[in-house]
Amino acid sequence: AQKITQTQPGMFVQEKEAVTLDCTYDTSDQSYGLFWYKQPSSGEMIFLIYQGSYDEQNATEGRYSLNFQKARKSANLVISASQLGDSAMYFCAIIMNRDDKIIFGKGTRLHILP
Amino acid sequence: EAQVTQNPRYLITVTGKKLTVTCSQNMNHEYMSWYRQDPGLGLRQIYYSMNVEVTDKGDVPEGYKVSRKEKRNFPLILESPSPNQTSLYFCASSFHQDSNNQPQHFGDGTRLSIL
Repeated sequence: AQKITQTQPGMFVQEKEAVTLDCTYDTSDQSYGLFWYKQPSSGEMIFLIYQGSYDEQNATEGRYSLNFQKARKSANLVISASQLGDSAMYFCAIIMNRDDKIIFGKGTRLHILP
Repeated sequence: EAQVTQNPRYLITVTGKKLTVTCSQNMNHEYMSWYRQDPGLGLRQIYYSMNVEVTDKGDVPEGYKVSRKEKRNFPLILESPSPNQTSLYFCASSFHQDSNNQPQHFGDGTRLSIL
């Protein structure tokens, strides 16, 4: 069965530092997509970035980039120059193109310190 | 405004009393999905639908039913709710075209308490 692992339940980071949130996945499928979402304390789910399994370049969206290492089955989110507003819960998710099922990790709670 | 609308936002009810949480999207999305979010467990997919009259089980379908009679609506039905279904529920939708994966647009969530 497919699985997503986020090994950091919580992280504290100083403002303006870069942050790496870990995500590893376990699947034997070759075709899939990886997403990162942010959930602030207000509760809404906000899409951040996407990486397809066949994409050769790492995805980037503004201050967010995805460090995709397919052989290691990892898809870490990198936030550059962190801001206080980055404090939130972050979820990694995988969609299996074989059956379109989506699996989320348990999340990492990020605290940015002033 | 493009949105996914869930109703109700909050509901407290009792064990065994059938309830329906509605979900509607105005973006003409093919893919719709229900998740439950529990502390320490992240989001878990309950059911999903890739188009009208097509529904599939996610990871935690037991105790839930769904239907997709129209493209825009994807209600979640709890025929006989139990306290272990107390949770925060999210509906989400996205375009779906072969392997062209698109991000999910989420509703604001429904906090359900079963006493």
